[in-house]
Amino acid sequence: RKEVEQDPGPFNVPEGATVAFNCTYSNSASQSFFWYRQDCRKEPKLLMSVYSSGNEDGRFTAQLNRASQYISLLIRDSKLSDSATYLCVVNPLGGFQKLVFGTGTRLLVSP
Amino acid sequence: DVKVTQSSRYLVKRTGEKVFLECVQDMDHENMFWYRQDPGLGLRLIYFSYDVKMKEKGDIPEGYSVSREKKERFSLILESASTNQTSMYLCASTQGDNYGYTFGSGTRLTVV
Repeated sequence: RKEVEQDPGPFNVPEGATVAFNCTYSNSASQSFFWYRQDCRKEPKLLMSVYSSGNEDGRFTAQLNRASQYISLLIRDSKLSDSATYLCVVNPLGGFQKLVFGTGTRLLVSP
Repeated sequence: DVKVTQSSRYLVKRTGEKVFLECVQDMDHENMFWYRQDPGLGLRLIYFSYDVKMKEKGDIPEGYSVSREKKERFSLILESASTNQTSMYLCASTQGDNYGYTFGSGTRLTVV
């Protein structure tokens, strides 16, 4: 089983739609969680950290469900500029920060 | 903002050549990483370093080595480049626990 699993998509949504991605992780002791965004042929960039209580940053909401070992990303009011690949990232060990990246979920927002 | 700079955006090398990929960060981070990214496989960790002159193997170290002589610089070396090392190489650094990584803009290496 992969340490971090994501649906590769693509998710095709119209502008203004709400879209959600889930990601599952295998190590129940995982300590920290992140969502990264990666545009085509560019480097990944940190979108947001994911906290146990859930957190929101503008149109983006991240949730953590430790019991079921998944994290989610909700994007409201999708924009064309949200089109990208979203990487789910987990630190499975705690302590030293050695992150494990999912292979990403591709989002395409159309006019 | 943290800046992680990779020396080359695109490189074309011949099979058997020794290849150096350089990475420099400007925020005094102790932890630095080298990944490669391939379609369908995602990011895979090659080597990482948590201090000057310290290095640890990641998941796919074969065919690679690294050097960290100064805190800000972490170099990836392909001892004898092969075509299966054609990939996007990404360097990253972090200040530690619970902080994400900051990536360089990547080096797209083609080995012919």
